[in-house]
Amino acid sequence: DIQMTQSPSSLSASVGDRVTITCRASQGIRDDLAWYQQKPGKAPQRLIYAASSLHGRRPSRFSGSGSGTEFSLTITRLQPEDSATYYCLQHNSYPLTFGQGTRLEIK
Amino acid sequence: QVQLVQSENEVKRPGASVRVSCKASGYIFTGHHMNWVRQAPGQGLEWMGWINPATGDIKYAQRFQGRVTVTRDTSISTVYMELTRLRSDDTAVYFCARGSYSPDYWGQGTLVIVSS
Repeated sequence: DIQMTQSPSSLSASVGDRVTITCRASQGIRDDLAWYQQKPGKAPQRLIYAASSLHGRRPSRFSGSGSGTEFSLTITRLQPEDSATYYCLQHNSYPLTFGQGTRLEIK
Repeated sequence: QVQLVQSENEVKRPGASVRVSCKASGYIFTGHHMNWVRQAPGQGLEWMGWINPATGDIKYAQRFQGRVTVTRDTSISTVYMELTRLRSDDTAVYFCARGSYSPDYWGQGTLVIVSS
């Protein structure tokens, strides 16, 4: 199975800040990576697909980059509603595997 | 708009089985795979498997092989996930999620509690 190592596990930032979350795959996955946001008691929502494509009408403050084994999700101009847990997901090979999550707190 | 509506929460005894349904609307049902993902309380996300509604082809995570069965009824655009021989560590929210690559739309989740 491909292991997805996500860091940091948690972080705290202020409104207006910029934060970056990274995911490292245990082997190359091309750009077969997505990022999700999950709020308590809710289903995950896809933010980014194919490593860098913004899903639908998600705010452009969210961006993704990377290929192969190293990926990042960057959120600029943090807003209070960005408080959530973020997960990466690789879909290059089965089983699909998620990172362990990053809990983002807005101070 | 795309909607995935799941069945109600369940409480089951250890050793029992549970079947969760996921009714799709707002898109061509046979045009996208349907995944099942679970999340234990306070934990991360775990992919269980998917079905291709057009062909019935299925793929399961190896750790669930032999205990999970995913089926579909194209006449009512519904996918089912059955998990057998339930254990306490199967207590989780179970999500269906549409997508042949990375899941894009998710159901609201069904909480399954396994307790004696």
